[in-house]
Amino acid sequence: DTGVSQDPRHKITKRGQNVTFRCDPISEHNRLYWYRQTLGQGPEFLTYFQNEAQLEKSRLLSDRFSAERPKGSFSTLEIQRTEQGDSAMYLCASSSPGQGARASEAFFGQGTRLTVV
Amino acid sequence: GENVEQHPSTLSVQEGDSAVIKCTYSDSASNYFPWYKQELGKRPQLIIDIRSNVGEKKDQRIAVTLNKTAKHFSLHITETQPEDSAVYFCAARAPVIKAAGNKLTFGGGTRVLVKP
Repeated sequence: DTGVSQDPRHKITKRGQNVTFRCDPISEHNRLYWYRQTLGQGPEFLTYFQNEAQLEKSRLLSDRFSAERPKGSFSTLEIQRTEQGDSAMYLCASSSPGQGARASEAFFGQGTRLTVV
Repeated sequence: GENVEQHPSTLSVQEGDSAVIKCTYSDSASNYFPWYKQELGKRPQLIIDIRSNVGEKKDQRIAVTLNKTAKHFSLHITETQPEDSAVYFCAARAPVIKAAGNKLTFGGGTRVLVKP
């Protein structure tokens, strides 16, 4: 499968624990995004990387959340001191630069479903 | 920032009928409008997109229309089939200018049920 892959697919954790998710984008894509999706809602933007640089962060990304993309390839999203409100599907997407200033479509991974108990 | 509203939230149609989903956006600078289909437990997948330099785009049974003046766009599915049952999301994106405006802002989704 040469699409966007995310690991793990499911994570159950106790409140207060730290969790880390991984995203491997499509290999030639230099843009990587993290979104959060709760049941019955559309994905909400969390953060965006262009290569290894984190260029935009949503207000949704509290100081308990941190994302990295150290070599401009895979990315990790860490949530510290998890809360029940963090329970959601965490989606990763990637896109290529496209032509000029027009980025190509965003391809999504299958997501990591986090349940905080 | 951008705000995207999507209606209806649920839509039930008889197989063979048409389905229409409407979205409005707030940022007049947005110039790219994709539609994603998400089946239960699966990833969102792009089904069609439109850029602001065109008013309509069609791909087989799916079409999208865009009214920049009114800041709304719609998805039309004709001759619906049971496999069209899914949640559909519209989204908007502002121009990619350096570091800004690259994210998609999604609507709340429409759950479409096609009854055989």
